[in-house]
Amino acid sequence: QVQLVQSGAEVKKPGSSVKVSCKASGGSLSTYPISWVRQAPGQGLEWMGEIMPTFGTVKYAEKFQDRVTITADESTSTAYLELSSLRSEDTALYFCGRNWNYVGMDVWGQGTTVIVSS
Amino acid sequence: EIVLTQSPVTLSLSPGERATLSCRASQSVGSYLAWYQQKPGQAPRLLIYDASNRATGIPARFSGSGSGTDFTLTISSLEPEDFAIYYCQQRSNWPLTFGPGTKVDIK
Repeated sequence: QVQLVQSGAEVKKPGSSVKVSCKASGGSLSTYPISWVRQAPGQGLEWMGEIMPTFGTVKYAEKFQDRVTITADESTSTAYLELSSLRSEDTALYFCGRNWNYVGMDVWGQGTTVIVSS
Repeated sequence: EIVLTQSPVTLSLSPGERATLSCRASQSVGSYLAWYQQKPGQAPRLLIYDASNRATGIPARFSGSGSGTDFTLTISSLEPEDFAIYYCQQRSNWPLTFGPGTKVDIK
């Protein structure tokens, strides 16, 4: 059974960038799309974007379109989320999730805390 | 973008009781709706996909129904481990969107 393991917590300054990784183990990263979802403290889930690793095709939420880049490296079975021009409102828990058969996210990473603070 | 609204915001029930959660979409999503459960400090867990299909390993007490704009998640008899927040999510149109969640807590 595939597992997704994310990189560790990050503390960043406003205006900087962060890159979070999501590594698949026990299975292929390429079979299904990988989505990125974030959750601000005490808030709900917010979809940011998705990549289909085999083709490199990406979809982004319009809200993040100009600040987010999602990539994947099939050779290392790792997907990445990079968010630039960070502001305090980007402080959140960032999850990757496998979009199984495009019907829902059935496998999730453990989450990566990103704190944006001066 | 498709906006999902969930009701109630909070549902206070006792173990053994039936829980009925609602999700309404701002436009038709067909049957392209999923439900997730999230507990504090954990990633969400997929419960239901395509409105009424239980995901792998999900107990039969969880069921989903609905189509178009109105959907329901029913937990037939609450177990202690079911007290959590539940989110609906649509995949009919980009961007994928989630509802704001319903918290099921212990009465």
